Amino acid sequence: GIQVEQSPPDLILQEGANSTLRCNFSDSVNNLQWFHQNPWGQLINLFYIPSGTKQNGRLSATTVATERYSLLYISSSQTTDSGVYFCAVGPGTYKYIFGTGTRLKVLA
Amino acid sequence: NAGVTQTPKFRVLKTGQSMTLLCAQDMNHEYMYWYRQDPGMGLRLIHYSVGEGTTAKGEVPDGYNVSRLKKQNFLLGLESAAPSQTSVYFCASTQSFREGLAKNIQYFGAGTRLSVL
Repeated sequence: GIQVEQSPPDLILQEGANSTLRCNFSDSVNNLQWFHQNPWGQLINLFYIPSGTKQNGRLSATTVATERYSLLYISSSQTTDSGVYFCAVGPGTYKYIFGTGTRLKVLA
Repeated sequence: NAGVTQTPKFRVLKTGQSMTLLCAQDMNHEYMYWYRQDPGMGLRLIHYSVGEGTTAKGEVPDGYNVSRLKKQNFLLGLESAAPSQTSVYFCASTQSFREGLAKNIQYFGAGTRLSVL
């Protein structure tokens, strides 16, 4: 089956710093989402982005489907950005496959 | 609009006991999913449903059963709980699953933390 790899696995930033999280997938996909899991465990949808670029405030994402990767950019990070970021890809068979996540800690 | 609601939020079971986790969505979504999340890992798909009356196996289906008798509800059952089933369980739903549509977005419940002693 399709493999989803996220990097880096862990990231520690000072407040105000920028970061780039990467998601590589081993086969073509029709759907891709980025999620943030906050410290209370809630999974929040950030972007639905099977291709192209989107921006939402300090966050933006780019997916290059032909090269099988997606990037999540976080600018001017805040302590509330802490948590785990997951990439989930849908190879077109009614389901998503999740990566193992990037654990982000933003220090004040 | 409540979205996806999971019941209960916490549960402690003894080995061999049975229980049912309930997932309810009020968005008229066709597709529903049960995942488990273990410490330091991503979410793994247990079972899913592509419509009322249908179910299908995911990556880790052993030890679990599901039912989708009503479109808005998706039940996850543990017939004889084992310590290896200690985990956080998430339910999710999606409106549709067509290529490149925003209706394919998955919405998640708040999770059920289950401990099996």
